[in-house]
Amino acid sequence: GAVVSQHPSRVICKSGTSVKIECRSLDFQATTMFWYRQFPKQSLMLMATSNEGSKATYEQGVEKDKFLINHASLTLSTLTVTSAHPEDSSFYICSAVDALLGETQYFGPGTRLLVL
Amino acid sequence: SQQGEEDPQALSIQEGENATMNCSYKTSINNLQWYRQNSGRGLVHLILIRSNEREKHSGRLRVTLDTSKKSSSLLITASRAADTASYFCATAAGVSGAQKLVFGQGTRLTINP
Repeated sequence: GAVVSQHPSRVICKSGTSVKIECRSLDFQATTMFWYRQFPKQSLMLMATSNEGSKATYEQGVEKDKFLINHASLTLSTLTVTSAHPEDSSFYICSAVDALLGETQYFGPGTRLLVL
Repeated sequence: SQQGEEDPQALSIQEGENATMNCSYKTSINNLQWYRQNSGRGLVHLILIRSNEREKHSGRLRVTLDTSKKSSSLLITASRAADTASYFCATAAGVSGAQKLVFGQGTRLTINP
C-alpha cells in the first residue's frame, strides 16, 4: 500500500517551454501533497504544499508563477514548470499524505528535468 | 529552511558491520523521520519516532531520539551491500495532520562487500 507515482520519470525540454509533472497517490486519498526539488548530492528542499481544492502554499523564494501547482482531486497533483530555463534542471519529487492517517509522507520516484 | 544536520556526511564500512548516523535539529518537533534514497530514486520511509518516544526498532534499524539534545541517531545493524544509499532525517513540527518536513543534509552510506 501507500504507493505514489510520478510521470514522467525524466524529461528533456528546450529553454522557454513548459513542463508538467504529475504526482498520483495510487491506493489512498491525499488531501495534501508536497513538492520538493533536489540538486545533485544535496538534500530535498520543500517548494510548496499542495492542498486539494485550494491554492498551494509556496515556500519563501519559490516563484508561484514559475511553478504552477494544481491539486484538482484527492489522488492527483500537478507541477508545471513554466518557461523553463537551464537553472530549473533538477530532480523534482512529490510526496503525499494519507488523508486518514495524516502523518507519514510517501514519496514518489521523482522526475528528472533537464532544460537545454 | 534546512534545520537538520547529519553526520557523518559520508560513511564507508564493510558488510556485516554496524552503521550509525546522527542527526541534529534546532527547533521543537512533533516527530522525526528517517528516509533512505537510492541514487537517482525517490525516498523510502524507514521509521518515524515521536517527540515523546526515546527509542524505536524496526528490523535491523534502531532509532533513538534525545529531545533535550535535539538529536537523533539511526543504527543499521549487520549491514548489507543493499543498504548502500543516502539516508536523510526529517523533522516535522506544527499542528497535527499533514506537516511540512525539514530535511537534513543526508549521510551517504557505502557498504563494501
